[in-house]
Amino acid sequence: GDSVTQMEGPVTLSEEAFLTINCTYTATGYPSLFWYVQYPGEGLQLLLKATKADDKGSNKGFEATYRKETTSFHLEKGSVQVSDSAVYFCALSLRGSNYKLTFGKGTLLTVNP
Amino acid sequence: NAGVTQTPKFQVLKTGQSMTLQCAQDMNHEYMSWYRQDPGMGLRLIHYSVGAGITDQGEVPNGYNVSRSTTEDFPLRLLSAAPSQTSVYFCASSSGQREVATIYFGEGSWLTVV
Repeated sequence: GDSVTQMEGPVTLSEEAFLTINCTYTATGYPSLFWYVQYPGEGLQLLLKATKADDKGSNKGFEATYRKETTSFHLEKGSVQVSDSAVYFCALSLRGSNYKLTFGKGTLLTVNP
Repeated sequence: NAGVTQTPKFQVLKTGQSMTLQCAQDMNHEYMSWYRQDPGMGLRLIHYSVGAGITDQGEVPNGYNVSRSTTEDFPLRLLSAAPSQTSVYFCASSSGQREVATIYFGEGSWLTVV
């Protein structure tokens, strides 16, 4: 079946450090890939997405590139801020199955000033 | 900009009680779904619907019931609450008109069963 494996946390960084959260996937079809973010006490917000190989999703300084050859969608940010502290989820959905997301377990990021 | 609205946000239940989590969306989305979030487990799909009158089971459907009488609403019923159902529940919706569509989430419902 479909699955998403993401880097286990928690991850603790100092402000302005470089962030990478690894995400790899297994899919039975052609997936679209997503990163969602959950700030403390809040729901999930879509951070960025990519729908085909070599696409780069970007938002709020975060980037991720859809790598079909390595089945990966790693999240990166060049300089994190305290306000980026949150749980980050990598997820996939299959074309024609927009009712279902398969999630990774989430990575807790804490950024210290 | 209501989007996906869930109620209640917090609820405490006693074991054996029943309750309904409400979910409504105003984006005219065909697809709606319910997830639960547990520590270290990510989000798991409970039930989903691809249109009014059509529902199906997800990964963890036991102990839950759903119906979809209108496009807008997709309530989740706990038939006889158990402590294992203590979780955060998220409702989601997306368009069925596109091959690839963004899935939008509600703000979550924190449920504790004692």
